[in-house]
Amino acid sequence: DAMVIQNPRYQVTQFGKPVTLSCSQTLNHNVMYWYQQKSSQAPKLLFHYYDKDFNNEADTPDNFQSRRPNTSFCFLDIRSPGLGDAAMYLCATSRDITDTQYFGPGTRLTVL
Amino acid sequence: GQQLNQSPQSMFIQEGEDVSMNCTSSSIFNTWLWYKQDPGEGPVLLIALYKAGELTSNGRLTAQFGITRKDSFLNISASIPSDVGIYFCAGSDYGGSQGNLIFGKGTKLSVKP
Repeated sequence: DAMVIQNPRYQVTQFGKPVTLSCSQTLNHNVMYWYQQKSSQAPKLLFHYYDKDFNNEADTPDNFQSRRPNTSFCFLDIRSPGLGDAAMYLCATSRDITDTQYFGPGTRLTVL
Repeated sequence: GQQLNQSPQSMFIQEGEDVSMNCTSSSIFNTWLWYKQDPGEGPVLLIALYKAGELTSNGRLTAQFGITRKDSFLNISASIPSDVGIYFCAGSDYGGSQGNLIFGKGTKLSVKP
């Protein structure tokens, strides 16, 4: 059974049109992460939530925002997608900040 | 900042051969993780290592946490076609920047039947 679920798996948006990606988890983990992964590169951490506390990486553009309305769900909002934001977006969870991270299947974002 | 050097960058092997890849760091880690990523999918955890010197197996996979805490290797024995994918090492000291996993650049494995 899938434990970290991402919807949709593929998302196409237009340049400048806001888009929201969704992640949910059945693990009841405290921490949820969002990563951006471009082709042939390693995942790059954008931000994470520890419970309701939001932790932004210093180099994450302001264009990227996140919401975590409850333990199970976390959203990635891209306010004005540019062509350079086309990538795979990965959600991950961990029980605590020092525990192993488990990844979802990812959402492939295309920006036209 | 911390960096991980993962090698080799890519490997082309014959089915049945053994595979070895490794990661080294300029600084100490408390945790080493090995993930496999298939095209269009998220990384899947293969092995997690939490103690210096630890040697852990998962089927045909074996990984070790280096005694200096600055390196780790992953071995795959008797490779099969479904081993194809990109293997990432990741380390963390859970130090200054909470939640940060430092990833290697990946090893792309191709297996010829």
